[in-house]
Amino acid sequence: DIQVTQSPSSLSASVGDRVTITCRASQKIVNYLNWYQQKPGTAPKLLIYTASSLQSGVPSRFSGSGSGTDFTLTISSLEPEDFATYYCQQSYSFPLTFGGGTKVEI
Amino acid sequence: QVQVVESGPGLVKPSETVSLTCSVSPSSIVTDHYWGWIRQSPGKGLEWIGNIDYNGKTYYNESLKSRVTLSVDRSSKQVSLRLNSVTAADTAVYYCARVMGDRKLDWFDPWGQGTLVIVSS
Repeated sequence: DIQVTQSPSSLSASVGDRVTITCRASQKIVNYLNWYQQKPGTAPKLLIYTASSLQSGVPSRFSGSGSGTDFTLTISSLEPEDFATYYCQQSYSFPLTFGGGTKVEI
Repeated sequence: QVQVVESGPGLVKPSETVSLTCSVSPSSIVTDHYWGWIRQSPGKGLEWIGNIDYNGKTYYNESLKSRVTLSVDRSSKQVSLRLNSVTAADTAVYYCARVMGDRKLDWFDPWGQGTLVIVSS
């Protein structure tokens, strides 16, 4: 199974900050890496697919990069509604696996 | 706009079987995609359960494969999950989601709101 490890597990930030979250896969997964945002009591929402493609309707302050084993989600300027937990997911092979999550707190 | 809605019994006794249903709107799109089930234990991360297509082709997480069955009801175009011999460890919110992309294992979008399953006597 491919393990995906997110870091940090949590971070504190302020509105306007640039935030970077990292996801590392246990083996090369080309660009088959997706990012989701989850707010308390709601389902995950797709932000980025195939490492760097922005899902329709997602603000452009979100961006993704990386290939191989190392990937990054960047929020260029944190907005109040961005405080949430973020998950990465590899879709290179079964079983599909998710990172442990990064909680972005005020 | 695609909507996904999960439903289930809520409370299940240990050792019993839980059945969950995923309803999609518009239902016609069920034939065009793979559908996935993912669960999230209270306060924990996300665990992939399995994917299924309209023809019944399934892919399961090996950790649950012996206890889980995914199916598609062609008449109602609903996707279902059955998990047998449940224990407290199966207590979780269960999500159904459309698999997007060109492959059977790409990204999930959209997700349903989830249905909480509590295993307790």
